[in-house]
Amino acid sequence: GEQVEQRPPHLSVREGDSAFIICTYTDSATAYFYWYKQEPGAGLQLLMSVFSNVDRKEEQGLTVLLNKKDKRLSLNLTAAHPGDSAVYFCAVSEPGSAKLIFGEGTKLTVSS
Amino acid sequence: DMKVTQMPRYLIKRMGENVLLECGQDMSHETMYWYRQDPGLGLQLIYISYDVDSNSEGDIPKGYRVSRKKREHFSLILDSAKTNQTSVYFCASSLARGRGNTLYFGEGSRLIVV
Repeated sequence: GEQVEQRPPHLSVREGDSAFIICTYTDSATAYFYWYKQEPGAGLQLLMSVFSNVDRKEEQGLTVLLNKKDKRLSLNLTAAHPGDSAVYFCAVSEPGSAKLIFGEGTKLTVSS
Repeated sequence: DMKVTQMPRYLIKRMGENVLLECGQDMSHETMYWYRQDPGLGLQLIYISYDVDSNSEGDIPKGYRVSRKKREHFSLILDSAKTNQTSVYFCASSLARGRGNTLYFGEGSRLIVV
């Protein structure tokens, strides 16, 4: 079945720097891609979703890149600030499937 | 207001006791989920429910069962809890199966089995 690997597991950056997280997946039929953010003691909140017909999507300081050839999904936070400190998860799903397969998560720490 | 509510938020149980985790959503979503989250493992799917009394096993169903008698309510039951079921459990809901719908998550239920 589908497998998702996420790296790095931990990432520390200074305020104003960029933070880059990458996920790889195995199933070429995967069609839907997501990035979630989890703040301490809270559930996951959707940051951005991307469908397989999109290579790049930007919203509010976040850039998601999808490379279907290499089966790679990335998230770039430009100009990170301490409020961005959280655990970030990628997730993927196939057409017609309700299952989301999650990566292992990246704990991002942004220091001022 | 779109919300997934989990109860209880924190629970300590002895090994062998029964555990009931409850989840409610106010969005009339068809699909509901139970995941568990463990450090370094991300979220692992325990069960999916596609609607009332329409439940399917996820990736790690052993030791768990679920109940969905109303669309807005989905329960996770541990009969005879084990120490390796210590975890944070998340409930989620989505509008419909597939089609790239967003999952809405509750805030989690932290279970400790001693």
